[in-house]
Amino acid sequence: NAGVTQTPKFQVLKTGQSMTLQCAQDMNHNSMYWYRQDPGMGLRLIYYSASEGTTDKGEVPNGYNVSRLNKREFSLRLESAAPSQTSVYFCASSPGTGPGYEQYFGPGTRLTVT
Amino acid sequence: AQTVTQSQPEMSVQEAETVTLSCTYDTSENNYYLFWYKQPPSRQMILVIRQEAYKQQNATENRFSVNFQKAAKSFSLKISDSQLGDTAMYFCAWGSGGSNYKLTFGKGTLLTVNP
Repeated sequence: NAGVTQTPKFQVLKTGQSMTLQCAQDMNHNSMYWYRQDPGMGLRLIYYSASEGTTDKGEVPNGYNVSRLNKREFSLRLESAAPSQTSVYFCASSPGTGPGYEQYFGPGTRLTVT
Repeated sequence: AQTVTQSQPEMSVQEAETVTLSCTYDTSENNYYLFWYKQPPSRQMILVIRQEAYKQQNATENRFSVNFQKAAKSFSLKISDSQLGDTAMYFCAWGSGGSNYKLTFGKGTLLTVNP
């Protein structure tokens, strides 16, 4: 099993450009998440999907959209990138919708917006 | 809102020694879960240990153990017999007992194990 995979690993965008970060998991997990990690800030939740067909905002959703394409895939879209969105983005998944489940993380995407 | 505080931005320890990383949290819920995640230089986050708030017994995983003090809202991680491979960022995280949809993370502690 590959676990949680993310593409691309690195990306440089100019201000105003758009792009989609891809995430896929092969563990048959119900829930998926997108986080951003900034220096000194820890991980902050952008959006999550509790189950296929549902998405909800997290702590910092502004400037982002998400799509839960199917049970395996959860993409994050930046419609008009801004320098403030320079960050490392992590996708994660967890097995169930109940409490206490571990979240499994992908390797991250380092995004730079100039 | 839940908050998680890690008061030690950086720590270092000699190989084979023991180190304790601190974490405090604030919540009004009675049923919740606490986690320690490790992020090595490769960036991949890995779960180290998990504690259920309703369990009084402290969780242990090989060289890793926690000191969970529910009344004090404290959840420290002890690493025994530190190894060079333990060098990483360590994040403390809180998850609701009502739903695990959202984890709240602390800002992390960078641990360096010196030879």
